[in-house]
Amino acid sequence: AQRVTQPEKLLSVFKGAPVELKCNYSYSGSPELFWYVQYSRQRLQLLLRHISRESIKGFTADLNKGETSFHLKKPFAQEEDSAMYYCALNSGGSNYKLTFGKGTLLTVNP
Amino acid sequence: DTGVSQNPRHKITKRGQNVTFRCDPISEHNRLYWYRQTLGQGPEFLTYFQNEAQLEKSRLLSDRFSAERPKGSFSTLEIQRTEQGDSAMYLCASSSGRYNQPQHFGDGTRLSIL
Repeated sequence: AQRVTQPEKLLSVFKGAPVELKCNYSYSGSPELFWYVQYSRQRLQLLLRHISRESIKGFTADLNKGETSFHLKKPFAQEEDSAMYYCALNSGGSNYKLTFGKGTLLTVNP
Repeated sequence: DTGVSQNPRHKITKRGQNVTFRCDPISEHNRLYWYRQTLGQGPEFLTYFQNEAQLEKSRLLSDRFSAERPKGSFSTLEIQRTEQGDSAMYLCASSSGRYNQPQHFGDGTRLSIL
């Protein structure tokens, strides 16, 4: 069965510090992975996806098939990065239904 | 385009009542998804439409749940004989049919069962 694990429910860092939000997955097929973010009082929105290999708001994530991981990283955290972050796996083939992790609440302190 | 729209934003009802939620996807999107999110959990997939066809339903979707998308535009999710365990945030998302296009989420409908 498909599964996404985000081991940290809460993560707190100081402004300017590096941040890494962990995501591990289990999936028998070829994975397609996403990071979604939910800022306070806003809707869930896509942050980035592995297939794009892009950096959004300074965040990057690399798919490591050997370790079955898709960790989200940013070298210098900003206060506006404080939000709930969800890692998600396309587990539905062409249907593109998403399997989400439980999320990590990131707090960036001044 | 205001994105995916869901109504109502909040619904409070007594156990045993029926409730219906509406989702209006982004206009050119032919794929529509319903998810449920409970406290401390990520969204969980419920069902998926491509145009008006309901192509997949999760085992989470009991017989009391029914979803429709009659003309391939808006969708409704109905819960009959609501139970305490139905209390959750119900999220709708839509995407285009093009390869690997992301899902865009609405604000959700928060259901509280008294």
